[in-house]
Amino acid sequence: ETGVTQSPTHLIKTRGQQVTLRCSSQSGHNTVSWYQQALGQGPQFIFQYYREEENGRGNFPPRFSGLQFPNYSSELNVNALELDDSALYLCASSLVQTVETQYFGPGTRLLVL
Amino acid sequence: TQLLEQSPQFLSIQEGENLTVYCNSSSVFSSLQWYRQEPGEGPVLLVTVVTGGEVKKLKRLTFQFGDARKDSSLHITAAQPGDTGLYLCAGANQAGTALIFGKGTTLSVSS
Repeated sequence: ETGVTQSPTHLIKTRGQQVTLRCSSQSGHNTVSWYQQALGQGPQFIFQYYREEENGRGNFPPRFSGLQFPNYSSELNVNALELDDSALYLCASSLVQTVETQYFGPGTRLLVL
Repeated sequence: TQLLEQSPQFLSIQEGENLTVYCNSSSVFSSLQWYRQEPGEGPVLLVTVVTGGEVKKLKRLTFQFGDARKDSSLHITAAQPGDTGLYLCAGANQAGTALIFGKGTTLSVSS
């Protein structure tokens, strides 16, 4: 059984660019959630995907968008990057009915210059 | 708005000391989770507490859920350097679609 994997591990972008982060969910999990963790803070919920549809969204602007594929893997896209988007982006997988039990990937560290 | 407040924010202790981390809210949660996160890695689930007043033990770690299900604590006995990390409490939002996290407690245990 493989755990949650994310790519890339690190990324450097400049302000205004676009970025795509990828996540493969744990085997058997049908739900993927994305979180943003700024330095020294707890993770903040961006959105959740279930059956390829957005199933909940946190307080993030529309330039944060996502996709889920039939194999339950997911992408997080961020357009028009801002300096404040620099953070660790975490993907978590779970079963939709057990959001309390989420398994996190190692994250992608994004730095926006 | 559901919020979880953790205290203290930072804790630096010597090996062998005991410590307690607190997680408080004005909202009722159906359950609370505790995670541990090491630098460069994602949070790892330690425990889920579900019943008000519940106490769970994981080796030297003791977790308690408040009777009103609004707060929780994590107590570590005889801390070791390997306990160093960021401890996060979390609970499901009302829609059941996401976890709400506290800001975390950064623990440093020196030998």
